[in-house]
Amino acid sequence: GAVVSQHPSWVICKSGTSVKIECRSLDFQATTMFWYRQFPKQSLMLMATSNEGSKATYEQGVEKDKFLINHASLTLSTLTVTSAHPEDSSFYICSARVPRGQPYEQYFGPGTRLTVT
Amino acid sequence: KQEVTQIPAALSVPEGENLVLNCSFTDSAIYNLQWFRQDPGKGLTSLLLIQSSQREQTSGRLNASLDKSSGRSTLYIAASQPGDSATYLCAVTRTGNQFYFGTGTSLTVIP
Repeated sequence: GAVVSQHPSWVICKSGTSVKIECRSLDFQATTMFWYRQFPKQSLMLMATSNEGSKATYEQGVEKDKFLINHASLTLSTLTVTSAHPEDSSFYICSARVPRGQPYEQYFGPGTRLTVT
Repeated sequence: KQEVTQIPAALSVPEGENLVLNCSFTDSAIYNLQWFRQDPGKGLTSLLLIQSSQREQTSGRLNASLDKSSGRSTLYIAASQPGDSATYLCAVTRTGNQFYFGTGTSLTVIP
């Protein structure tokens, strides 16, 4: 089946720094990717929808200037957490929609654990 | 806003037992419901998908039911195995695009 990878799998950064998370579709081209965030004991929450070659669409309450999303190619979307703070510590997971498939046909990456100290 | 709840939050059973995981959602206007498995260090794996017009789906030892009017779904796992240990998530979509996930049930099957 389709495979989605994320890099890094975990990262620790200091408060005030920025960190970039990559999401790659390894064996298919994904025009649309999604970014989710999962806090401990909570469900995955959609942060933004990333479309190749256009600006991302952010969900209500998600700061677009803080969470920069770039979908520059059909196989890569990046999420940059700018000026990270401890409250940004979370599990970030991406998914990629299968082209020409149903909208719910999405494959999920393994996630990235971000810890901000 | 759609809210999805899963009960129990954690479950531990001996190998071979049959078990039921529950999922409830507040808005019955859904497009479909999916059950996922989440393993540490790995992505979510879709187990079963039930369209809004369907009542149940089966795959091997797994059976998922959907009662849209009451906002409930169950995932039945027969003859549980240690390899079934994982976190199980249910998710609903309204348009087929955005997923609303539950908080998950952490399952441990004891050998």
